[in-house]
Amino acid sequence: AQSVTQLDSQVPVFEEAPVELRCNYSSSVSVYLFWYVQYPNQGLQLLLKYLSGSTLVESINGFEAEFNKSQTSFHLRKPSVHISDTAEYFCAVSDSRTGKLIFGQGTTLQVKP
Amino acid sequence: ETGVTQSPTHLIKTRGQQVTLRCSSQSGHNTVSWYQQALGQGPQFIFQYYREEENGRGNFPPRFSGLQFPNYSSELNVNALELDDSALYLCASSSGGNYGYTFGSGTRLTVV
Repeated sequence: AQSVTQLDSQVPVFEEAPVELRCNYSSSVSVYLFWYVQYPNQGLQLLLKYLSGSTLVESINGFEAEFNKSQTSFHLRKPSVHISDTAEYFCAVSDSRTGKLIFGQGTTLQVKP
Repeated sequence: ETGVTQSPTHLIKTRGQQVTLRCSSQSGHNTVSWYQQALGQGPQFIFQYYREEENGRGNFPPRFSGLQFPNYSSELNVNALELDDSALYLCASSSGGNYGYTFGSGTRLTVV
């Protein structure tokens, strides 16, 4: 069975500091990996995804994540965060056969001024 | 292009009642999935429909059922509501191929 573990439930950080949100997964089959962001009282927005190819993927707003197959990780990083990055972040894996998403428990990123 | 729209946005129901939630998929998307997100938790997969057929189901009882229509819009029906059914219900659509899903803003269901 596939599963996703987000190692930190809350990550407080000051504005303009770097941040890393950790995600590990377990799967016996090929997977696709995703990070979604959820702002208060909203649905999920796709931040970035790894399907194949380069193991480093980037989003348009400065986030990046690196797929590490040997460590079964897909950590999300940003070199300098903004107040507006405060949100809930979900890591997810997709079953390569059915496409269903399996989510982690989420990490709350709290950016302080 | 339009995104995924869900209705209603909020709903309050009494235990034992039945509820229907609706979702309009993003244009061109033929796959729709429903997720339940309890407070403080990650979304949990309920089921998925592809071209009007259910092609995947999570660990939810049969009182959770769904439909997908020829225009790829979808419904989630829940019978005999329980207090623990209180959650945010998210609909997501995809064009297939595991390229990621587009989520709606969700329906907040409260069962009292």
